[in-house]
Amino acid sequence: EAQVTQNPRYLITVTGKKLTVTCSQNMNHEYMSWYRQDPGLGLRQIYYSMNVEVTDKGDVPEGYKVSRKEKRNFPLILESPSPNQTSLYFCASSRTSGVRADTQYFGPGTRLTVL
Amino acid sequence: LAKTTQPISMDSYEGQEVNITCSHNNIATNDYITWYQQFPSQGPRFIIQGYKTKVTNEVASLFIPADRKSSTLSLPRVSLSDTAVYYCLVGVMNRDDKIIFGKGTRLHILP
Repeated sequence: EAQVTQNPRYLITVTGKKLTVTCSQNMNHEYMSWYRQDPGLGLRQIYYSMNVEVTDKGDVPEGYKVSRKEKRNFPLILESPSPNQTSLYFCASSRTSGVRADTQYFGPGTRLTVL
Repeated sequence: LAKTTQPISMDSYEGQEVNITCSHNNIATNDYITWYQQFPSQGPRFIIQGYKTKVTNEVASLFIPADRKSSTLSLPRVSLSDTAVYYCLVGVMNRDDKIIFGKGTRLHILP
């Protein structure tokens, strides 16, 4: 089944404790991205990756890191989480990021709470 | 990237047709218009996409006038399960390939 998976689905942590949220897709998609969703603010893109070893900042990259060493995986790293990073996070992938708006496939979400 | 403007929220009743309009005045020639639906605590999912005129699938219709400066998502005979947030996106290509979802339209279907 074609899908985007994220782990963990729920995470409660404390300020400053490094964490990684994994994202994997099995559709051989080139484009992957991370979003955060907060009440009243909609979906905001954190980082995106056009392909392996190619990543770039979205609208809200501060406090996050990403890497794309393999085409299928795109982990989100919070080196020193802070309470303002408490949010619902979504990973997404699409075939390309070409001119035609390729369909984004979203993961189930990771609800992160930073105390 | 073309900026989009949608109503923040809408209410309707079961069985009605719902039309959600999105404005995108600076749409580029190569931009497509894509709509997503998001249920609470789930990731958005693709509903429909179009370039011009009308597109219809099993879920919705998308109407795009000739000037392409707006588009209307039409949901026929809505049910309670259509309560969701609907996002209009225009193209994904700008200089740096960001994708901007915006805040979407919160549709609430009443019994």
